[in-house]
This record gives sequence, C-alpha cells and structure tokens, in this order.
Amino acid sequence: QLRESGPGLVKPSETLPLTCTVSGGSVSRTDSLWAWIRQSPGKGLEWIGTVYSGGRTYYNPSLKSRVNIFVDTSTNQFSLRLTSATAADTALYYCARLPEASSVLDSWGQGTLVTVSS
Amino acid sequence: QSVLTQPPSASGAPGQRVTISCSGTGSNIGSNFVNWYQQFPGMAPKLLLYGINQRPSGVPDRFSGSRSGTSASLAISGLQSDDESEYFCSAWDDNLDGPVFGGGTKLTVL
Repeated sequence: QLRESGPGLVKPSETLPLTCTVSGGSVSRTDSLWAWIRQSPGKGLEWIGTVYSGGRTYYNPSLKSRVNIFVDTSTNQFSLRLTSATAADTALYYCARLPEASSVLDSWGQGTLVTVSS
Repeated sequence: QSVLTQPPSASGAPGQRVTISCSGTGSNIGSNFVNWYQQFPGMAPKLLLYGINQRPSGVPDRFSGSRSGTSASLAISGLQSDDESEYFCSAWDDNLDGPVFGGGTKLTVL
C-alpha cells in the first residue's frame, strides 16, 4: 500500500515537497519502479517522474528542470521535490508503483491535494 | 491537452454495450500496450485492464479492450449502474520514457 504525505498549501516560488510511504513491501525491491502522477481539472492525469529502487530516475521533460524524485530505503519511502512552484502546480498528487518492465500502474496512493497560493 | 484523446463523455442504458475510444500516436499506442483505469469521485484511479486484455483480480469479464494501429477502445457489456465512473486510457510513450494518459471519459448509466 502507498500513502502520500506533505503540506496541503505551498507558497508560489517555494518548493513543493511530498513523500510516499510504502507499506506491505520494500521500496528497495528490484521488481518495482515508483512514480509520481498528478491530476488537475485543466490537464487531466500527468506523469511527473519515475524512480528505480537503485536511484535511477526518469522525468517528464515538461517538468524536468524543477523535479527531483528519490528513494529513502531507511524509511521505506520515496519523495518528490518540485521547485519554483506556481499556481499551475495546484493538483491532486498521487504516488504509484509500476512493476519492472511494465507500463502498468498497479497500485496507487489515495492522493493528496496540494494548492499553490500565497 | 492530454497526450491521448478520449471523448469527454459516454452513456448507455443498463444491459447495453458501450465503447470508449482512445487515440494516440506511433510512439505510444502504436508501439505499446494500452492500459485502462477506472476512477470514482474522490478516489484514486484503479487498474481495470492491462496488456493484452488482462484483468486484475476482481474485474469482471464484461470489461474488454482492443487496439488497432494508434487507437484503442474499452468495451463494457451488460452495463450496470456500478459502472458509472470515469475511465482513463494510458500507454507507455517511447519518446517520453514514461506513461501518457487520456483526458478521461465520464460514463453515465441512464
């Protein structure tokens, strides 16, 4: 199971920080990739990026300059940092799991709403 | 604005069969499997179909998918009121190196 946590409100120009806690399995498992997806009324579902347990990352080119996703094996979590937040980053953020060598998002967190506003 | 194109809405009466289309390009649907997700209001998307018509445990065989070229479709037969939900298509995009999504189709059971 996956569960997102983080601030519900972020000020413009600040960094949006979110964490996903993995339970019932290890974030270190080599058969899994971990992803961040967001959903907003104007843009639908948007892939933000993916991290392998070993740390290799892939980011959506539209966000690449502002995104960092990393794994913390000591806490069994993976995290998202989105810098220079703007109102356009206001969305429901989900963490999810992909089996290795698959495009399937087979497990999702419940989502967390982040609003970027002063 | 979504990479994959879906109709915003669809509808059908109980017992009927409805299809939802999903259009993409050669770098996504044309090259990779299409996955479908079901999302109820206030809930996270849930995997509905994946690979070649594979269904996760618990998904009835009333749900089926197909792909032809750069398009795909989801078919729901024997429509039930519980099927009223939003449906998203998704596929890996070779140019993006990540998944892309459709804008979602809201299904209304009349």
